[in-house]
Parts: sequence; structure tokens; C-alpha cells
Amino acid sequence: DTAVSQTPKYLVTQMGNDKSIKCEQNLGHDTMYWYKQDSKKFLKIMFSYNNKELIINETVPNRFSPKSPDKAHLNLHINSLELGDSAVYFCASSQDTRRLTNTEAFFGQGTRLTVV
Amino acid sequence: AQSVTQPDIHITVSEGASLELRCNYSYGATPYLFWYVQSPGQGLQLLLKYFSGDTLVQGIKGFEAEFKRSQSSFNLRKPSVHWSDAAEYFCAVSENNQGGKLIFGQGTELSVKP
Repeated sequence: DTAVSQTPKYLVTQMGNDKSIKCEQNLGHDTMYWYKQDSKKFLKIMFSYNNKELIINETVPNRFSPKSPDKAHLNLHINSLELGDSAVYFCASSQDTRRLTNTEAFFGQGTRLTVV
Repeated sequence: AQSVTQPDIHITVSEGASLELRCNYSYGATPYLFWYVQSPGQGLQLLLKYFSGDTLVQGIKGFEAEFKRSQSSFNLRKPSVHWSDAAEYFCAVSENNQGGKLIFGQGTELSVKP
């Protein structure tokens, strides 16, 4: 009965590869997010989707492409991985932030990506 | 631009002692404020939140926080710390028209000594 689930939990890959991280939420939320936590544990938003529509796109290399097949899923695809992409990536979801402003975000367990 | 500052990178307290983690924010209007906890290798769990109303908010695990507009602060407190409280604590702010985007502080690592 996990609310926000991400797969895989750990991902080790070589530079130049392409990889995807999947995220699913069963909370009935309309908004989903990707956050990146760097080696100093600093968390920063990357993307946000509301009902499959991109609403937040921070300054992120275009090697990162989010895809939302439906409002319960938000996947993150990364092309041509670089050493600096090593981080923990968190998926999150919340209620529709365009209708409700006082919402809280629920986070997944994170995916630790290591690029070697 | 909005920002959140957690002045203490690392705090160590004795089990049973009281705890206060500091958080200051920079935002023009009334912010929405949150405290999250991250245990080692785990995701982020919401401890408590402030949207409006009573400035002293109660959360899970015996935590509370007080919103002080005059000081732009939202400090987290617990009267008696347990060893299981050792974790990373993040303060965050969101705006009411930014699609739920959270801006996080740098985090405070809490160690608990027996």
C-alpha cells in the first residue's frame, strides 16, 4: 500500500548510458514532481506535472526528460549520463496545486543514481 | 527570490534533552511552511506544516513548530529527544501560486548521544 513508489531504488551505470527511473502514486493526486538531492543533501525541484501537463521545468539539462503517461505516473529519462548526474532522485505527489494551494507533498523513497 | 536557511548543519543532543532546530525563510507574503525528516537511506516524511491560523503547530512523533512572522522563522522543537530521532531534518517553503514547488533549506543533521 505504498503511496509513492519509485523503481529502482539503486542504479549504477556507466557514463554515456541512457536510463529511466519510474514513479507511481496511488493517492489519487493530480500533481507529481521530481526533485534532485545532491551529495551535500541539498534538495532542488526539477519538474512538476499536473494531470500529465508540464507546469514546472527548472533549469535542467535537456538530457533529462520527464514523461507522464497518466496522472498516476511520472517517469524520468536521462540520456548520455554524466558523472555529475550522480545523486538521489525523489519523486513526489500532491493534490491539484492549481485548485488547492495548501497542499502537502508526499515523497517516494528515492533512487540513488551512481554514474561511474 | 524565496530562500530557506537552516543555520545549523549538524546538531548533537543527548537522549532525553530538548531540541530546537532553526529555520529562517525569505518570502514576501505569508508562506506555506513545512518540516520534513529523512532517515538514513529513506525518503522524506512530513513532520508538520503551517498554512495559516494558530502559529504553533503540532506534528507527528512529538514535534512542534512555531511560526514567527516578525522573525521570519519556523523553528522545530521537541521536548525530549529519542535515539530514533537521529536523522536529517529539512525545512521547506512553498508559494501559493507556484504549483506546489518546495524550496528546501540545506538540512540539519541531528545526532543523538546516549
